[in-house]
Amino acid sequence: DAKTTQPTSMDCAEGRAANLPCNHSTISGNEYVYWYRQIHSQGPQYIIHGLKNNETNEMASLIITEDRKSSTLILPHATLRDTAVYYCIVRPFNTGTASKLTFGTGTRLQVTL
Amino acid sequence: SAVISQKPSRDICQRGTSLTIQCQVDSQVTMMFWYRQQPGQSLTLIATANQGSEATYESGFVIDKFPISRPNLTFSTLTVSNMSPEDSSIYLCSVGQLGQKNTEAFFGQGTRLTVV
Repeated sequence: DAKTTQPTSMDCAEGRAANLPCNHSTISGNEYVYWYRQIHSQGPQYIIHGLKNNETNEMASLIITEDRKSSTLILPHATLRDTAVYYCIVRPFNTGTASKLTFGTGTRLQVTL
Repeated sequence: SAVISQKPSRDICQRGTSLTIQCQVDSQVTMMFWYRQQPGQSLTLIATANQGSEATYESGFVIDKFPISRPNLTFSTLTVSNMSPEDSSIYLCSVGQLGQKNTEAFFGQGTRLTVV
């Protein structure tokens, strides 16, 4: 699996957009970008995934650069409940172990009043 | 989506003893995994629980220390054997499906283990 690089921590004011970057310069053509988050004392939660087009769901938007070497997860209106560790993971799609994940260190997002 | 129940949610155990953690899913799932999260660290995959056959272990994890069962498509157990304080971690069960459009993984709430 391609390696990802994320900032260790970020702060965001409540109500503002939180933009979490991820570098994945060694991503290969069949690998998708997945984002998960882990709120304190809970199991990780799936957020979104994408291949090359930008994606949006009820939780977030995912912007992937044209060369696919980096991406940004956007939480449009961050709330205190979005305080969590966010993991960017690249994985092949729809393989026998597509849901088998290799977690990096992630970005600890702190949303403040 | 899948709802995953793990038992126990937490435990404090004496060194040298063993603890079995249960993972129950509300629907049949193809893939089940066990992860460990040591204090302040990220998640590390222990093994893939295979239905009807021996689990597939990741580098650094062995069956004698972490025996796994998966008798059917909705249930799995992980045993932490001959525990030491270094085994104090959160243990998480995760599930996923083959052949589905959405290949995201779902996680249980974890079992917080403290070994004294």
